[in-house]
Amino acid sequence: KAGVTQTPRYLIKTRGQQVTLSCSPISGHRSVSWYQQTPGQGLQFLFEYFSETQRNKGNFPGRFSGRQFSNSRSEMNVSTLELGDSALYLCASSRTLRDDTEAFFGQGTRLTVV
Amino acid sequence: AQSVAQPEDQVNVAEGNPLTVKCTYSVSGNPYLFWYVQYPNRGLQFLLKYITGDNLVKGSYGFEAEFNKSQTSFHLKKPSALVSDSALYFCAVRDRGQDSNYQLIWGAGTKLIIKP
Repeated sequence: KAGVTQTPRYLIKTRGQQVTLSCSPISGHRSVSWYQQTPGQGLQFLFEYFSETQRNKGNFPGRFSGRQFSNSRSEMNVSTLELGDSALYLCASSRTLRDDTEAFFGQGTRLTVV
Repeated sequence: AQSVAQPEDQVNVAEGNPLTVKCTYSVSGNPYLFWYVQYPNRGLQFLLKYITGDNLVKGSYGFEAEFNKSQTSFHLKKPSALVSDSALYFCAVRDRGQDSNYQLIWGAGTKLIIKP
């Protein structure tokens, strides 16, 4: 069974640009969550999608957005990039939304804003 | 409000010795509790979880964790540490039964260093 796939693995962008990150969940998983991980702030929740609907959102500015497609694949977009957006972005999938089962994480996309 | 605390930024243990990584939590209801491990340049990997039942939970790689309701703790333990256990460990909690805020709440992480 393939794991969670995130693309690309690495990105370098210039301040002011926008970026789109992609996440393909484990087959059969319908919930996808996104996290930002930085050395100073730890793991910060961005948003969670289930059945193409955003079900929960963290405390990030509107520059951060996402969506989920009918095949459960998800994308997140960051517009007007700032230097502070440099981070590891992690995607996690789960079978259902409110579930006591564990989330499965991808290897992440390392975004560097210069 | 839900919260998770990992009071130690770093834990140093000699190989072969027992290890403990601490986690305390605060939720309004009964918790689902999780431990994850992150190796360098990798995503998080699930180690173990507590949902209900036996307070001692066994997980991957020889790790176990003890749920203590009175102390609201869920400490991660291993009887004999390996150098390969060196990694970043995260504790997380979900407040069972909350309709509006069921997201996982994460601790800040504890860096575990096992010295040969």
